[in-house]
Amino acid sequence: AQKVTQAQTEISVVEKEDVTLDCVYETRDTTYYLFWYKQPPSGELVFLIRRNSFDEQNEISGRYSWNFQKSTSSFNFTITASQVVDSAVYFCALSEAGAGSYQLTFGKGTKLSVIP
Amino acid sequence: DTEVTQTPKHLVMGMTNKKSLKCEQHMGHRAMYWYKQKAKKPPELMFVYSYEKLSINESVPSRFSPECPNSSLLNLHLHALQPEDSALYLCASSQTDPRSNTGELFFGEGSRLTVL
Repeated sequence: AQKVTQAQTEISVVEKEDVTLDCVYETRDTTYYLFWYKQPPSGELVFLIRRNSFDEQNEISGRYSWNFQKSTSSFNFTITASQVVDSAVYFCALSEAGAGSYQLTFGKGTKLSVIP
Repeated sequence: DTEVTQTPKHLVMGMTNKKSLKCEQHMGHRAMYWYKQKAKKPPELMFVYSYEKLSINESVPSRFSPECPNSSLLNLHLHALQPEDSALYLCASSQTDPRSNTGELFFGEGSRLTVL
């Protein structure tokens, strides 16, 4: 069974602060994919990153960075110097390779509010 | 701007009405999806079309009827809905068959449905 846990339901930070969104997953598969999506108030889910289970390198994209640790089954997302435009709900998701993308399991999401 | 276009953005309907939600993508993707998202919840998969054929139906009630007229279009026909069907309905697409695709899904902005 797959499971994705985002323990933080809501987070508020002041603009320019750094913030980390936690994601812990469970899977019995050795090959799997992890995703982060952003859902701004407009509604669409915006793809941020995909990471496969064999690649534990951390990734940085501008102010965004991701820390993947298989030892703790975590795939955390850090926003550096947060901005008001970062306010959104962020979903972590898991897909087992054998199942394909139709079995994308989402966490419950973390609502981030960045206060000016 | 999202490359998956959904219309209408908002829809209010009575329980006896018949209405349709439309989704269009011009990225050449061969798989299209309908998700339902209730407030403060993650998206839940409803249907998947692969190469214009229904490949997955996640036990969705028959009052929701999907249709894929061609590879770029996806409709969701609504009839005799209940108030609890009020939600954000998201359309998504992926490049290849969902069973083998482990890449990202591209989402539209959604159609917010209210059933009175």
